[in-house]
Amino acid sequence: DIQMTQSPSTLSASVGDRVTITCRASQSISSWLAWYQQKPGKAPKLLIQKASSLESGVPSRFSGSGSGTEFTLTISSLQPDDFASYYCQQYKSYSITFGGGTKVEIK
Amino acid sequence: QVQLQQWGAGLLKPSETLSLTCTVYGGSFSGYYWTWIRQPPGKGLEWIGEINHSGSTNYNPSLKSRVTISLDTSKKQFSLKLSSVTAADTAVYYCVRGYGSGSYYHVWGLGTLVTVSS
Repeated sequence: DIQMTQSPSTLSASVGDRVTITCRASQSISSWLAWYQQKPGKAPKLLIQKASSLESGVPSRFSGSGSGTEFTLTISSLQPDDFASYYCQQYKSYSITFGGGTKVEIK
Repeated sequence: QVQLQQWGAGLLKPSETLSLTCTVYGGSFSGYYWTWIRQPPGKGLEWIGEINHSGSTNYNPSLKSRVTISLDTSKKQFSLKLSSVTAADTAVYYCVRGYGSGSYYHVWGLGTLVTVSS
């Protein structure tokens, strides 16, 4: 299996901050990476696929970058609605794996 | 707009078989991979497996010996069975739609909490 490692596991930030979350793959996954946002008690919501393609309706303050083994999710100016958990997911291998998650908390 | 509605028993005893079903409303059943993903309380996401409209399946190697995913195209339903459950199988189980084999997921069910306890 391809292992996905996210950092940090928890992040404390304020409204307006620029936030960056990192996801590393144990082997190259090209650009086959997705990012999700999850709020408590809700299903994950797809934000980005193919490492940098923003899903329709997702605010432009979210962006993704990277290829190979290192990827980042950036929120350019954190908004109150963005306090949530974020997960990366590789889909190069059909045996899908997710990162352990990053919880973005209010500072 | 596609919606996934899932149901099944929420409380099981160890060694029993977990059984969940998901119905697809408002969209095509063919051309997609229908997937189950779970999330233990307070933890991350784990992919369980997938099935396409012709019945081809892929499973997580760590669960493969206990998992069966099946479908009923006439009812636009797909189902998950997980045998010999233990407390470690306690999780919220989501049914999900994927674009292809091993894909990203943009349509999710609401999730079903399954608790395994004696």
